[in-house]
Amino acid sequence: DAGVIQSPRHEVTEMGQEVTLRCKPISGHNSLFWYRQTMMRGLELLIYFNNNVPIDDSGMPEDRFSAKMPNASFSTLKIQPSEPRDSAVYFCASSFWPEAFFGQGTRLTVV
Amino acid sequence: GENVEQHPSTLSVQEGDSAVIKCTYSDSASNYFPWYKQELGKRPQLIIDIRSNVGEKKDQRIAVTLNKTAKHFSLHITETQPEDSAVYFCAAMKGNEKLNFGTGTRLTIIP
Repeated sequence: DAGVIQSPRHEVTEMGQEVTLRCKPISGHNSLFWYRQTMMRGLELLIYFNNNVPIDDSGMPEDRFSAKMPNASFSTLKIQPSEPRDSAVYFCASSFWPEAFFGQGTRLTVV
Repeated sequence: GENVEQHPSTLSVQEGDSAVIKCTYSDSASNYFPWYKQELGKRPQLIIDIRSNVGEKKDQRIAVTLNKTAKHFSLHITETQPEDSAVYFCAAMKGNEKLNFGTGTRLTIIP
């Protein structure tokens, strides 16, 4: 298995633009997590899904953020409109209880 | 919700010495405790984990201990090497819920 695959690896966008981050979890895993990492705030859980159903989105910063998991092999995290303070590394992780494995992350820069 | 505290935030040890990182958790129902290593610019990688029915687990130079009564667990690295330099995160999970991460420890091995 290739592991958790995220795309793009890097994204530079202008403030106000829509950004979509993508994640393909490990086949057979039934939980998927979206994390954001910054120097100031560390690793923050944004949202997680069990069996494609969103379970806890309390970490989503505001309505500008949305996440979907239309099937077991794909998830997206969308930011619309993007702001400079959204600049961070966004990680997707998947698990089949209990071990969780991270993707390589997407480094987002909003200018 | 679960609260995981991690200490110290930074740790420097001489090459060949041992390093110990400690974490405490608040929810006595948590039953899974992984440790992740994150090298600069890379993803967090699972290095060792322990479940609540075990008090200690060892894998070559790394070991993890768990004290359920006191609600704390520790990572021990012996015979440290330069490649052990990284940020280490502990986490706690209850059942099939989300991973709650500590704030990380930056470990530096001094040659």
